[in-house]
Amino acid sequence: AQSVSQHNHHVILSEAASLELGCNYSYGGTVNLFWYVQYPGQHLQLLLKYFSGDPLVKGIKGFEAEFIKSKFSFNLRKPSVQWSDTAEYFCAVIPWIDFGNEKLTFGTGTRLTIIP
Amino acid sequence: SQTIHQWPATLVQPVGSPLSLECTVEGTSNPNLYWYRQAAGRGLQLLFYSVGIGQISSEVPQNLSASRPQDRQFILSSKKLLLSDSGFYLCAWAGSNTEAFFGQGTRLTVV
Repeated sequence: AQSVSQHNHHVILSEAASLELGCNYSYGGTVNLFWYVQYPGQHLQLLLKYFSGDPLVKGIKGFEAEFIKSKFSFNLRKPSVQWSDTAEYFCAVIPWIDFGNEKLTFGTGTRLTIIP
Repeated sequence: SQTIHQWPATLVQPVGSPLSLECTVEGTSNPNLYWYRQAAGRGLQLLFYSVGIGQISSEVPQNLSASRPQDRQFILSSKKLLLSDSGFYLCAWAGSNTEAFFGQGTRLTVV
């Protein structure tokens, strides 16, 4: 069955620290991958997406993610976090043009707390 | 441009009452449509998805059902609500090779 795993449930970092949030998925075919962010009291917002091409994807607010097909991973990174990055982060996967199985599955999320 | 409407924003219903949450999409055709429930620590749990009119896939056995009577309309229903149905429900749509776009969500409280 298709699934997404986010191993870090809660990450606490100081400002200026580097960030890496893990995301692994299970699906045998080609996938599209996403990272969404939800700031406190706000709705989900797309950070970045991968459909094809360069496996290193750059998103908004200085975030990037690297798709490693052999590891079924799509980890999110940011070289230097800010207090305003405090939020919950969700990884998601959808099969790529797999007609009849276009199920968009989310991970359970990682809560990121940045200490000033 | 595409927009997604979800209503109502909040709802308080007694146990045993019926439920109908509606979601409509504008500006696109033949979207994939999704219903999620979001709970703290559990992320977005996929409840139902639909790739076309009348085509519903259920992910989690439960007290809820979904229907897609029109191409851009997706309805979440229940005949008799349970206390455990309380939560935050999100509707979303996605096209072929697009990201998902979310509605504003419905906060359902069953009392």
